[in-house]
Amino acid sequence: EAEVAQSPRYKITEKSQAVAFWCDPISGHATLYWYRQILGQGPELLVQFQDESVVDDSQLPKDRFSAERLKGVDSTLKIQPAELGDSAMYLCASSASGGASYNEQFFGPGTRLTVL
Amino acid sequence: AQSVTQPDIHITVSEGASLELRCNYSYGATPYLFWYVQSPGQGLQLLLKYFSGDTLVQGIKGFEAEFKRSQSSFNLRKPSVHWSDAAEYFCAVGPGGATNKLIFGTGTLLAVQP
Repeated sequence: EAEVAQSPRYKITEKSQAVAFWCDPISGHATLYWYRQILGQGPELLVQFQDESVVDDSQLPKDRFSAERLKGVDSTLKIQPAELGDSAMYLCASSASGGASYNEQFFGPGTRLTVL
Repeated sequence: AQSVTQPDIHITVSEGASLELRCNYSYGATPYLFWYVQSPGQGLQLLLKYFSGDTLVQGIKGFEAEFKRSQSSFNLRKPSVHWSDAAEYFCAVGPGGATNKLIFGTGTLLAVQP
């Protein structure tokens, strides 16, 4: 069964350092999402890609966060510099696109980030 | 603005007992509604979804949910809980449209007593 892959699964870093997370969506899925899930809360969308283009990054803290999906397949989310408040689970999801109805999002296992 | 409320932060039930997890949404029209489950340290798995039609929706693992427009609710139910159901459950609303965006509630953590 096709799955969304994410790495690393766990990352510990010190504040002010740079971190990067990688996501490989299900093959053929044109839409890719990055969510941040703070402990005790539901996931919050950070950025959404359609192929290589950003569709929604309204909740992305652009002063320190960046995301790219250069070839419209895998994606990288970067934080520089990391802050204590960035400690969270970062989830990647993907979905097919097209058509008038909603396309189910499939989630990866996430990257647990701890900033010390 | 669209929002989702899950009023129960933590629920404990005995194995074999019935379960109902509450979800209320705020949205101008009929949204797409979802329930996801998240086991510790894992990503989210879709349990069921409602787009239109029959208001009682069947999902995986023996779960069902009922859409009640008059109450703006989409409560999740299971007639007999198993120990493996212990997890966190998230209700989500999808406003639809081109963005395919999901807005999640804060989750309900389910503990199952033997």
